[in-house]
Amino acid sequence: EAGVAQSPRYKIIEKRQSVAFWCNPISGHATLYWYQQILGQGPKLLIQFQNNGVVDDSQLPKDRFSAERLKGVDSTLKIQPAKLEDSAVYLCASSRQRAKNTEAFFGQGTRLTVV
Amino acid sequence: DAKTTQPNSMESNEEEPVHLPCNHSTISGTDYIHWYRQLPSQGPEYVIHGLTSNVNNRMASLAIAEDRKSSTLILHRATLRDAAVYYCILSPGGGADGLTFGKGTHLIIQP
Repeated sequence: EAGVAQSPRYKIIEKRQSVAFWCNPISGHATLYWYQQILGQGPKLLIQFQNNGVVDDSQLPKDRFSAERLKGVDSTLKIQPAKLEDSAVYLCASSRQRAKNTEAFFGQGTRLTVV
Repeated sequence: DAKTTQPNSMESNEEEPVHLPCNHSTISGTDYIHWYRQLPSQGPEYVIHGLTSNVNNRMASLAIAEDRKSSTLILHRATLRDAAVYYCILSPGGGADGLTFGKGTHLIIQP
């Protein structure tokens, strides 16, 4: 089966600009996650969707970050305006359901550089 | 959130077994132990998970201490492709919800 697709792979923007990332999860996966991974650290969960509803966005900086999953399939994550500290890899992941014995499948990520 | 402690890095030789330790002394009775790994320039990849009993799959084995305060991921015969950062994570629900990644163990494989 096809994996989690993300685009673009790389993005360079100036601070205060806007940027958007796109994710298409594995077909049939109801749960979708966005993670932020700063260089040298493990991924940090930003937001979790179950179908098109938000389950957890407690670590999403809502003053500048937003995410949506309108039709319960693909998702976009937006940053507006970007700051230097937003430079990171943004990872999308999906899982079949919210249950025991399920695993997350990750995409390759989008590397964002803010200059 | 219950936390895990892993060595920053480990080194092993190709074709030899590798034992990656993880301490989780504050684990609760319903926390599952998950392992993911992240190869260079890739997203994390699921390796294995367990609750109380030792587990085996095609990638690795997971040995869980009787008191569940520690566990060990075992790669039976390391290859150069196993060089990655390995994350030990506690999952309260047993699934993929809200995985809290630490810094993990950087595994270096020498040819």
